[in-house]
Amino acid sequence: EPEVTQTPSHQVTQMGQEVILRCVPISNHLYFYWYRQILGQKVEFLVSFYNNEISEKSEIFDDQFSVERPDGSNFTLKIRSTKLEDSAMYFCASLPDSYGYTFGSGTRLTVV
Amino acid sequence: AQRVTQPEKLLSVFKGAPVELKCNYSYSGSPELFWYVQYSRQRLQLLLRHISRESIKGFTADLNKGETSFHLKKPFAQEEDSAMYYCALSAGGTSYGKLTFGQGTILTVHP
Repeated sequence: EPEVTQTPSHQVTQMGQEVILRCVPISNHLYFYWYRQILGQKVEFLVSFYNNEISEKSEIFDDQFSVERPDGSNFTLKIRSTKLEDSAMYFCASLPDSYGYTFGSGTRLTVV
Repeated sequence: AQRVTQPEKLLSVFKGAPVELKCNYSYSGSPELFWYVQYSRQRLQLLLRHISRESIKGFTADLNKGETSFHLKKPFAQEEDSAMYYCALSAGGTSYGKLTFGQGTILTVHP
């Protein structure tokens, strides 16, 4: 069964540093998403991406965040200047043209 | 704005007992409701969606629009059902695919 792959599984970074979280969605999927889950809290929507542009973003997704699909296969989430409160599990997901969400296994980001 | 509430953070039952994980939602339109499961250290997996009215691993969930609920039920719990369960809502339309999650319920099934 096809999977969404996320790398790295765990990233530790210093406050103020830039991080890039990588995702390889399922190849024939059209919609891509990032979610995050702060420890002990609910899974929260960050951003959706379709047709090479952001289709929706949440209030969390401020100017420090950006997404890209640089080469037609990878889907990246960049945080320009990390803050302590960015520490969370980040999930990538992809969707075909009908409901059938597939989530990646997540990247645990720890900002120190 | 939509909201999903799972009132129980923790739920413990014994093997063979019935289990019900509660989910209530708030949304003015016609939502799509889902249940996702996360087993220990694994990814989120779709368990059920209300539009398909299916039964997966013995679990069922019925959308009750009058009570705005989508409770997950299983008549006889198994130890392997122990996991985190999330109820989620999708508003559809221009928010296609965007999910709003509840807080999650940790289900523990004791032998």
